[in-house]
Amino acid sequence: DGGITQSPKYLFRKEGQNVTLSCEQNLNHDAMYWYRQDPGQGLRLIYYSQIVNDFQKGDIAEGYSVSREKKESFPLTVTSAQKNPTAFYLCASSEGQSNTEAFFGQGTRLTVV
Amino acid sequence: GENVEQHPSTLSVQEGDSAVIKCTYSDSASNYFPWYKQELGKRPQLIIDIRSNVGEKKDQRIAVTLNKTAKHFSLHITETQPEDSAVYFCAAPGGYNFNKFYFGSGTKLNVKP
Repeated sequence: DGGITQSPKYLFRKEGQNVTLSCEQNLNHDAMYWYRQDPGQGLRLIYYSQIVNDFQKGDIAEGYSVSREKKESFPLTVTSAQKNPTAFYLCASSEGQSNTEAFFGQGTRLTVV
Repeated sequence: GENVEQHPSTLSVQEGDSAVIKCTYSDSASNYFPWYKQELGKRPQLIIDIRSNVGEKKDQRIAVTLNKTAKHFSLHITETQPEDSAVYFCAAPGGYNFNKFYFGSGTKLNVKP
């Protein structure tokens, strides 16, 4: 089944802990993105990567980190520095520039307890 | 950078009626305008898109219109059905070399049977 896979679907974290969200795609896409979705709000860009070993900050990168060591993988770490991490996180990929369709993973709901 | 605004935030229609959602964008160089549908707890999925070289595109009950001069584009759903109930997002590319998507804040559509 080709596509983009996020894991886990639900994640609970204690305050002060770092946590890593997984995102894997087998679509051979160059570009990958991480978005945060809060109730009643649109999708806000956290980080994006156009190519392996390169990534750029989005609009709300503070408290997050990423890596892009492999084309198919783009993990997101939510650090203890992120003041309000409880949210729904969506990973997406596209062929390249943002004038092509973005494919989304099923999302990870992170709750800080 | 690009600024995408979406209206209305909620829309309630009777089954069989039409629904229209509007978005405006700020970057006149943007050239691709997708619409995504997100059902509750699921991933956003592309339902229709339009490129800047055309003014309208239809796919069965769904259509998108683009006014480049006014920098706005709209989603039209005719003969609405209860399964059309979802959150709809518009998007436009932006950033250096159009390497990221900017999303609208979403419209929650409720189709009453």
